[in-house]
Amino acid sequence: QQPVQSPQAVILREGEDAVINCSSSKALYSVHWYRQKHGEAPVFLMILLKGGEQKGHEKISASFNEKKQQSSLYLTASQLSYSGTYFCGTERGAQKLVFGQGTRLTINP
Amino acid sequence: DAGVIQSPRHEVTEMGQEVTLRCKPISGHDYLFWYRQTMMRGLELLIYFNNNVPIDDSGMPEDRFSAKMPNASFSTLKIQPSEPRDSAVYFCASSSSGTAVYGYTFGSGTRLTVV
Repeated sequence: QQPVQSPQAVILREGEDAVINCSSSKALYSVHWYRQKHGEAPVFLMILLKGGEQKGHEKISASFNEKKQQSSLYLTASQLSYSGTYFCGTERGAQKLVFGQGTRLTINP
Repeated sequence: DAGVIQSPRHEVTEMGQEVTLRCKPISGHDYLFWYRQTMMRGLELLIYFNNNVPIDDSGMPEDRFSAKMPNASFSTLKIQPSEPRDSAVYFCASSSSGTAVYGYTFGSGTRLTVV
């Protein structure tokens, strides 16, 4: 079952912060976050495992609430290079990822 | 490593023709995934393999689609006959169960247009 992401789109000025949410109706083993730029392939950002939390980058971090089956991606002091579509992927076992519909992030100077 | 390699990058074909998409995963990765991306449906998992064995093909839209993985370094996705609604970007991705914290690595994708 596809996870639900919110918001669908965000427009920021450079230096502002953003939060992208991902929720599932099923119990999760892990949550992945990916960024895709226009015309390119999705690129792995980080994974959050059940029972743990991983910070993948200095200004991009994420949390995972296992009880609520929710994850949030935090982008701090956004840069122009952060623009793109962000996808969460939820895993319920056997490495099978189901992706959300994506959140389009636009950073303006 | 050159990453996940897909070919062709672009494919334009006429309705009814057979289309074969190819993928070479990262050496040492034991999982291979085929996804389809469209504006309407987003990233859909079609099928995935573990150690060359198909594990879950529940996402394959219909019998016109088939996928094989004859060895650890090659996989194909075939559509026969193709239809205009198959137009999409098809991504292949691979991962390793031993290093799951590194996530999936996606290939550059094949943009398929069926006219």
